[in-house]
Amino acid sequence: ETGVTQSPTHLIKTRGQQVTLRCSSQSGHNTVSWYQQALGQGPQFIFQYYREEENGRGNFPPRFSGLQFPNYSSELNVNALELDDSALYLCASSPKGQGWIDTQYFGPGTRLTVL
Amino acid sequence: ILNVEQSPQSLHVQEGDSTNFTCSFPSSNFYALHWYRWETAKSPEALFVMTLNGDEKKKGRISATLNTKEGYSYLYIKGSQPEDSATYLCAFRDSWGKFQFGAGTQVVVTP
Repeated sequence: ETGVTQSPTHLIKTRGQQVTLRCSSQSGHNTVSWYQQALGQGPQFIFQYYREEENGRGNFPPRFSGLQFPNYSSELNVNALELDDSALYLCASSPKGQGWIDTQYFGPGTRLTVL
Repeated sequence: ILNVEQSPQSLHVQEGDSTNFTCSFPSSNFYALHWYRWETAKSPEALFVMTLNGDEKKKGRISATLNTKEGYSYLYIKGSQPEDSATYLCAFRDSWGKFQFGAGTQVVVTP
């Protein structure tokens, strides 16, 4: 059973650019959640995808968008990057069967730096 | 606005000693409380999912209790070992599906 993987590991962008982060969910998991962790803070919930549809969203602007594919892998897209978008982005997959209490399995994260 | 707080922010424990720390969360709209262990350079690892007031969970030397009426959960580590060194995160899920993490408690166990 493969775990959750994310790519790339690190990324450097400049303000105004766009970025796409990728996540492969754990085998058998149909739900993917994305989080942003800024330095010194806990992970902040961005959104969740279940069977290719957005299924919950945190307090992030529309320039944060996502996709989930038929194989349940997912992308996080951020447009018009700002300096404050510099953070560790985590994705987590879960086998949705018990609603929101499903245990989430996290990937190692993508470290994004915006200059 | 949800407010999940963990205390202390960090603590140092001698090997063999026991310790505990707190996660406080809103007492309304509770759905579930998750605990994770996050070791440096690794992915966060799920420890417990707690849903019922008075719930107690145990995994080896680590256990957790839950009080949803007053909005807190304790995590206990018995007989701390160096491999317990990690940041412990709690995450509150409300009834609308919103999920909020605390900032974590960093535990350092020294031999």
